[in-house]
Amino acid sequence: DTGVSQDPRHKITKRGQNVTFRCDPISEHNRLYWYRQTLGQGPEFLTYFQNEAQLEKSRLLSDRFSAERPKGSFSTLEIQRTEQGDSAMYLCASSLATGRGPLFYNEQFFGPGTRLTVL
Amino acid sequence: GQQVMQIPQYQHVQEGEDFTTYCNSSTTLSNIQWYKQRPGGHPVFLIQLVKSGEVKKQKRLTFQFGEAKKNSSLHITATQTTDVGTYFCAGLRTSGTYKYIFGTGTRLKVLA
Repeated sequence: DTGVSQDPRHKITKRGQNVTFRCDPISEHNRLYWYRQTLGQGPEFLTYFQNEAQLEKSRLLSDRFSAERPKGSFSTLEIQRTEQGDSAMYLCASSLATGRGPLFYNEQFFGPGTRLTVL
Repeated sequence: GQQVMQIPQYQHVQEGEDFTTYCNSSTTLSNIQWYKQRPGGHPVFLIQLVKSGEVKKQKRLTFQFGEAKKNSSLHITATQTTDVGTYFCAGLRTSGTYKYIFGTGTRLKVLA
């Protein structure tokens, strides 16, 4: 399977614990996005990378959240001191952004997500 | 901040009926994407619209981008049970960012 993969698929943790998720994008994709989705809502932007550079981070994201993409390949999202409000599906998407202006094309390929439950 | 709203939130149709979902942004968009998410699945890209007034068709699906590039619509002709899912639009602002703002989604149920 050459799609986007995420690990683990499910994570149950106790409040106050740290968790780390991994995303393996489609190879050669230069952009990688992290989103959070709760039931009945659309994906909420968390952060994105262009190769290894983290270019934007949501202002909604507290200091407990951090993401890395070393060497511009896989990415990790860490949540420290988890809270019950962090329970959600965490989605990763990758894309090969091309073109500029009206020719800009950026189809995002989503992974299956990691479902986090904080007890 | 930028908001992207979709209406309706839910839609139940009889198989064979048409369906339309509308997406409205509070700010002008550079482009807009549409995604479909099946129950229990992840979003899957359908299309991207870039030009003002653009209309694109994919079989029974018709996508439109408004003249002011602040709204968009997805119309499905003669729905089938395979169309079941939630349809999201995702807007990209015109300046300085590649951050997509997803709409609230329209959940479609098709009754056979």
